[in-house]
Amino acid sequence: DAGVIQSPRHEVTEMGQEVTLRCKPISGHDYLFWYRQTMMRGLELLIYFNNNVPIDDSGMPEDRFSAKMPNASFSTLKIQPSEPRDSAVYFCASRAGTGDHQETQYFGPGTRLLVL
Amino acid sequence: GENVEQHPSTLSVQEGDSAVIKCTYSDSASNYFPWYKQELGKRPQLIIDIRSNVGEKKDQRIAVTLNKTAKHFSLHITETQPEDSAVYFCAAKGAAGNKLTFGGGTRVLVKP
Repeated sequence: DAGVIQSPRHEVTEMGQEVTLRCKPISGHDYLFWYRQTMMRGLELLIYFNNNVPIDDSGMPEDRFSAKMPNASFSTLKIQPSEPRDSAVYFCASRAGTGDHQETQYFGPGTRLLVL
Repeated sequence: GENVEQHPSTLSVQEGDSAVIKCTYSDSASNYFPWYKQELGKRPQLIIDIRSNVGEKKDQRIAVTLNKTAKHFSLHITETQPEDSAVYFCAAKGAAGNKLTFGGGTRVLVKP
C-alpha cells in the first residue's frame, strides 16, 4: 500500500488566490481527517469524514475553508481567498474503522503552504 | 471538549539515558491514547498506543503507562539514541467520538 497520498507537497501562492489541497486515503479506510500544523497552534483537527460524509467541521477556522470528499479515494481542502495566516503544513490522515485495532491514524506527507 | 496538556515542551538527554514525557487529559471517558513521533520535515508516525483497559504497554525501548484515576499517561524511552531526536506528540480520543486531540508536543534532543 502506498499510504496516504497528498498533493501538492509544496504550494506558494499570493494572498487572495484560491488554494486546493488534495488527499488520497489508504484504500479501504473509512475515516479521513484534515489537520493543520503551525508552531503557534500545534496540530489542529480541521474536519473529518466517515464514509465520505463530513462528520465534524468544528475545527474549520472560517468560511474561507471548505472540504469535500466526493468518493472514498479522494478529498480536497480548499481555501478561498487565501491569507498569509493560512501558511502552515496541512496533513491528511486516514483510519480503517472503529474496532479496537482500527483506530490508528496514518498521516500523509503533508502539504507545505506559504501564502505571500 | 477534550483538552490534552503535554510536558515538558523540550527535553535534552545524554545518549543512553532515559526520557520521560507526560500528558494529562480532561475527558474521563477517553479510551485511546496514541503517541506519535515526528522527525523534522516529516509526517507524524505512530510509535505506540494504549487503550483505557490497559495500564502499561511496552515495545522494545519504549513504554507507555496510563493512570485513569489521575487522567494522565506517560511515554518512557530507555537507552536513548541520537535517532530518537524528534518531536513527540501524545493524543487522546474521547469515547463519544472519533477525534484525536493532540498535546502541544515535546522536542527531544539526544546528545551523543
